[in-house]
Amino acid sequence: SQQGEEDPQALSIQEGENATMNCSYKTSINNLQWYRQNSGRGLVHLILIRSNEREKHSGRLRVTLDTSKKSSSLLITASRAADTASYFCATDAGNQGGKLIFGQGTELSVKP
Amino acid sequence: GAGVSQSPRYKVAKRGQDVALRCDPISGHVSLFWYQQALGQGPEFLTYFQNEAQLDKSGLPSDRFFAERPEGSVSTLKIQRTQQEDSAVYLCASSSRGGQFYNEQFFGPGTRLTVL
Repeated sequence: SQQGEEDPQALSIQEGENATMNCSYKTSINNLQWYRQNSGRGLVHLILIRSNEREKHSGRLRVTLDTSKKSSSLLITASRAADTASYFCATDAGNQGGKLIFGQGTELSVKP
Repeated sequence: GAGVSQSPRYKVAKRGQDVALRCDPISGHVSLFWYQQALGQGPEFLTYFQNEAQLDKSGLPSDRFFAERPEGSVSTLKIQRTQQEDSAVYLCASSSRGGQFYNEQFFGPGTRLTVL
């Protein structure tokens, strides 16, 4: 019963190009978070955007949030081979103790 | 400092066996979460503890799944009479705050359970 849908499911780009991943969700949220997961490893928190924010930057990452459309996007600029991983959005409703509802993820492959 | 650790990292069980998966959260973290991640999918919430209290177990798939955190630190997820559909990676996460206040969740490496 995952809430988030991510698009595309897989993305293959060349080093130096930008990568954009999209996430849609179904219910009201307190915040939305993006995580990265390298093969065989745990999840690493990348960035959080609150429901009253529209855009946030962190290094080469840019996240947008449109609560009217219940959607978010993650942009990775100037991609590197080390960015190859699966990326997940996760929503926090804010009244459930921090419980996260994850999307199905986008598998990003950055070719050198 | 030490992050969240989980053991074992890999577990192979025969159908019908009981298994116990351990999570050591970051010291002092109040909240602890268990998630189940099937192959090629995102993690799905199983259960949540604030200290020793299990405040939400709505994600546990059946009564064969049981979790505990008796002293508010280490947690164990137990699966009785394992079935093939239980095969997945079980992720544990901890955060330093509970309730409605956001605090980043730190994830362990997971335990990969394979049920034959």
